[in-house]
Amino acid sequence: AQSVAQPEDQVNVAEGNPLTVKCTYSVSGNPYLFWYVQYPNRGLQFLLKYITGDNLVKGSYGFEAEFNKSQTSFHLKKPSALVSDSALYFCAVRPPPDKIIFGKGTRLHILP
Amino acid sequence: NAGVTQTPKFQVLKTGQSMTLQCAQDMNHEYMSWYRQDPGMGLRLIHYSVGAGITDQGEVPNGYNVSRSTTEDFPLRLLSAAPSQTSVYFCASSGTGTGELNSPLHFGNGTRLTVT
Repeated sequence: AQSVAQPEDQVNVAEGNPLTVKCTYSVSGNPYLFWYVQYPNRGLQFLLKYITGDNLVKGSYGFEAEFNKSQTSFHLKKPSALVSDSALYFCAVRPPPDKIIFGKGTRLHILP
Repeated sequence: NAGVTQTPKFQVLKTGQSMTLQCAQDMNHEYMSWYRQDPGMGLRLIHYSVGAGITDQGEVPNGYNVSRSTTEDFPLRLLSAAPSQTSVYFCASSGTGTGELNSPLHFGNGTRLTVT
């Protein structure tokens, strides 16, 4: 079965420190990979996606993600966390042309 | 540009009642989908469609029906509501044409459903 795993329910990071939110996947073929963010009482917003090529992808709000094919991982990173980054983050995969499936989400708390 | 429009925003049902959650998009997207979001469970795919007349089941399809008679609309029907269907429901769409498979999902604002 195809699946997406976000092993951490919650990640706490001090403001100004680097952050990493982990994602691994198990799907057939070469999927497209995405990160979305959900702020409190809001819908989901697209952050970034992986397109074949450079393994480090840059997205919105200073976020980036590192793709590792051998480890089937797509970890979200940011060099310096802001309190405003506190939100729920979802990793998603799309094995073309199939359905898009999401991980369970990771709640990110940035501590002032 | 309206994007993905979901109605209603809030709904309270009694057990056994039926209802339809509406979803419409104006971006000519072939792919449309319904997710439910529950605490600790993330986003779970209910049903999806890759074009008019084509639907398929996702991870949690039981208790829900869908149809796709037009490209624009993808309604979700609850046949006989149960308390376990209390959740926030999101409709989302994306392109599927050449060069579009890696395009991100566009989400509606969600419907908060409570079944008592």
